Amino acid sequence: GAVVSQHPSWVICKSGTSVKIECRSLDFQATTMFWYRQFPKQSLMLMATSNEGSKATYEQGVEKDKFLINHASLTLSTLTVTSAHPEDSSFYICSALRGVFTQSHQPQHFGDGTRLSIL
Amino acid sequence: AQKITQTQPGMFVQEKEAVTLDCTYDTSDQSYGLFWYKQPSSGEMIFLIYQGSYDEQNATEGRYSLNFQKARKSANLVISASQLGDSAMYFCAMREGLYNFNKFYFGSGTKLNVKP
Repeated sequence: GAVVSQHPSWVICKSGTSVKIECRSLDFQATTMFWYRQFPKQSLMLMATSNEGSKATYEQGVEKDKFLINHASLTLSTLTVTSAHPEDSSFYICSALRGVFTQSHQPQHFGDGTRLSIL
Repeated sequence: AQKITQTQPGMFVQEKEAVTLDCTYDTSDQSYGLFWYKQPSSGEMIFLIYQGSYDEQNATEGRYSLNFQKARKSANLVISASQLGDSAMYFCAMREGLYNFNKFYFGSGTKLNVKP
């Protein structure tokens, strides 16, 4: 079964709305979670690395004030798209790594993704 | 330079035949891991197989095997006895080093179509 739960699966909302996406590790603690954005027929683009108890590390070109990431516990990270506009429409997907010090062989466990449509 | 290169945007294979999806990588680290993920049209990312840089044998998981050629920096995925359900996007990924916060690099993906 799924080890990472991402909610919601679909969001359709009006321009200017803020949208929160949750990523939960269900049966393990995840010190590190990643947030990706994926455009149609393209690869995953890493937006930020979320570390429990500290500020997220954003990739170059990703607006920190636009995409707020909170990793408040070892099982939950949230991505808030603030004042969303149509260009923010995309597929957002999170992943989590088990444990505190994972070895390099540990795969990411992905959520099922969130399709965000801003009208 | 690209960390992960997948040169095949799309591939076709006949059902029950084997197919190889190419992946080359670029790193100066001695310790790294290579991963393959499958993404069906529904969007979820499914972990398939892993190969560590220090592993001497090629990884295998059921119908999936990884042809690891370290000197060539290639990590090709081989799917044996293709099934219709194998039709999906396939991504090769790499993680450098040993620590949690090291990010994964993904290739551009290969779309595999299995023909009946």
